[in-house]
This record gives sequence, structure tokens and C-alpha cells, in this order.
Amino acid sequence: AQKVTQAQTEISVVEKEDVTLDCVYETRDTTYYLFWYKQPPSGELVFLIRRNSFDEQNEISGRYSWNFQKSTSSFNFTITASQVVDSAVYFCALSEAVGNNAGNMLTFGGGTRLMVKP
Amino acid sequence: DSGVTQTPKHLITATGQRVTLRCSPRSGDLSVYWYQQSLDQGLQFLIQYYNGEERAKGNILERFSAQQFPDLHSELNLSSLELGDSALYFCASSVDLGGGETQYFGPGTRLLVL
Repeated sequence: AQKVTQAQTEISVVEKEDVTLDCVYETRDTTYYLFWYKQPPSGELVFLIRRNSFDEQNEISGRYSWNFQKSTSSFNFTITASQVVDSAVYFCALSEAVGNNAGNMLTFGGGTRLMVKP
Repeated sequence: DSGVTQTPKHLITATGQRVTLRCSPRSGDLSVYWYQQSLDQGLQFLIQYYNGEERAKGNILERFSAQQFPDLHSELNLSSLELGDSALYFCASSVDLGGGETQYFGPGTRLLVL
């Protein structure tokens, strides 16, 4: 069965610090997809990134970057020069590509609450 | 704004009652998903529909049921409500049904069972 672990339940940083959120996953499939979602205090879930298991290139989007390492089954998320608006709960999620007829459930980690203080 | 709409935003009801949560997917999306977010269970997948048909089932209680209508909107019905059903219920949608499709989430319906 698939599993996602976010060991850091809560992180507190001061504005402008860099912060890395860890995500470790378990799956038996060779083809799978990893996601990060942000849940700000308002409650909605905002999609940040999708990565498939065959693409190990790191990705950078503005102050956000993601490091995918299959060897350690990790998909970590770094925020550079954090801002107060980054305060939110961040979720890592996994989807196995079990075939087009078998559905597409997301398995979420427990989330990491990030607090950025001014 | 993801383009997924959910109504109502908040719902307060009593134990034993039945409620219906409604979701409209993004324009063009054929798959709809329901998730439950609670303090003790975290974010859990409940059920997926694709173009009106049930495609995948997760940890959905027998007291809960869902359907997707021809116009692709979906409803989640929760009956014989218990205190433990209090949670944030999310609907998500994606273009297709296969594994790996990006799911875009609605704002959620916050259910409080008293």
C-alpha cells in the first residue's frame, strides 16, 4: 500500500529564512506521481506542483524549489526567503498510476504547519 | 480560485440527520473526487466518479453515498450523522480518470455535527 510521511508536524521560522519541508513516500509501483498542496488559514487546498516518477529533475518556481530523489524516496520542498504569506499547512501526496480504469486516489501525508514570523 | 465550487460552505446539523454536499467541477473536467479532512484521520480519499460512473472507492462509510449527474456535478450524501463525522469535506476534479492526473480542489464544506 502507498504511504506518505511528513515527519515535521510544525516548523517555525523568521521571515527571510529558508525552510525545507520533508516528504518521504512508499510505493510498490515504478510509475507514480507526487504532489505538493498548500492549505492557507482560509482552508482551501491549493495545488503547487506535480512530478512523475521518471522525472528526477529538480524544479524551481520563484522562491519555491523541489528536490526529488528516488534513491531515498523523498520529495522535499524548499521555500527560499520565506514570507509571512507562506504561513500555511503544506501537504505532500502520492498517486499511483495503476491504469486508466483503476481510479486516481491521492494519498496524503499528515501535513507540515509552517509558521513564518515577521 | 481553482474553478471547483462547493456548497454550502458551512453546515451545522444534529446527530442522526442527513445532509447533502454539492460540488461543481472545473469546466471540462470529467472526474470528481471527494475527500474528508478531520483532525484525527487527516486528509482521506472517499470516492471518485468519472463521467457519471463510480471509479474508485476509499475509506467511505456505508452511511455515506455519492453520485455524479449528467451535467457532471456531484453530490455527497451523509446520513445518520454522528459527532465523528464533523470534518471539512473537499471535492476535487481532474480532466481524466487515470492515475497521476492533477486534482484541483474546491474550497470545502465544513460540517459540524452537534
